[in-house]
Amino acid sequence: DVKVTQSSRYLVKRTGEKVFLECVQDMDHENMFWYRQDPGLGLRLIYFSYDVKMKEKGDIPEGYSVSREKKERFSLILESASTNQTSMYLCASSSQSTGKSNQPQHFGDGTRLSIL
Amino acid sequence: GDSVTQMEGPVTLSEEAFLTINCTYTATGYPSLFWYVQYPGEGLQLLLKATKADDKGSNKGFEATYRKETTSFHLEKGSVQVSDSAVYFCALTHFGANSKLTFGKGITLSVRP
Repeated sequence: DVKVTQSSRYLVKRTGEKVFLECVQDMDHENMFWYRQDPGLGLRLIYFSYDVKMKEKGDIPEGYSVSREKKERFSLILESASTNQTSMYLCASSSQSTGKSNQPQHFGDGTRLSIL
Repeated sequence: GDSVTQMEGPVTLSEEAFLTINCTYTATGYPSLFWYVQYPGEGLQLLLKATKADDKGSNKGFEATYRKETTSFHLEKGSVQVSDSAVYFCALTHFGANSKLTFGKGITLSVRP
């Protein structure tokens, strides 16, 4: 089974801090994703990466950056945390599309981040 | 751009009731369609998928049929169980888009004994 592991289930940080959320996958997947999940808004894509050192902005990249130095690890960085970044953060990974079908994304259990 | 619209929730049903969760989409071409489920305290899991018109995805008693003519992918189950209580997300992606998904807002299902 695919395993996507997020380093923390719960995290509390203060406004202005630099925050790192880590995600590791064990299936040699090329694609990795960071989402945030908020009530009434569903999942919104922050950033994604389709290869080492590659990154692309999603729908809501403002206030975030990412790092992918190794294929299995994708880090989300809050440069200067703010209270409106309090949310559930979900990491996902998938392999490249094959044939005529996209491969499904596999998700971690999420990190519930609170910014005080 | 692409969008996915799910019916408003939450939904509360009694055990063994019939379930329908509506999902419609707006997209160009022929996207692949998915239902994901999120159990309490967990991440999302793929429940089922369909990659072309008239395909039926099925898993764990759930079914959904890709209807191109109505741009819909409604989720159904004939008899729900308490263990089906979760949040359900409809999503789509285009082939070759590095699996980038567009999600609906999700709907919470509660099944009472």
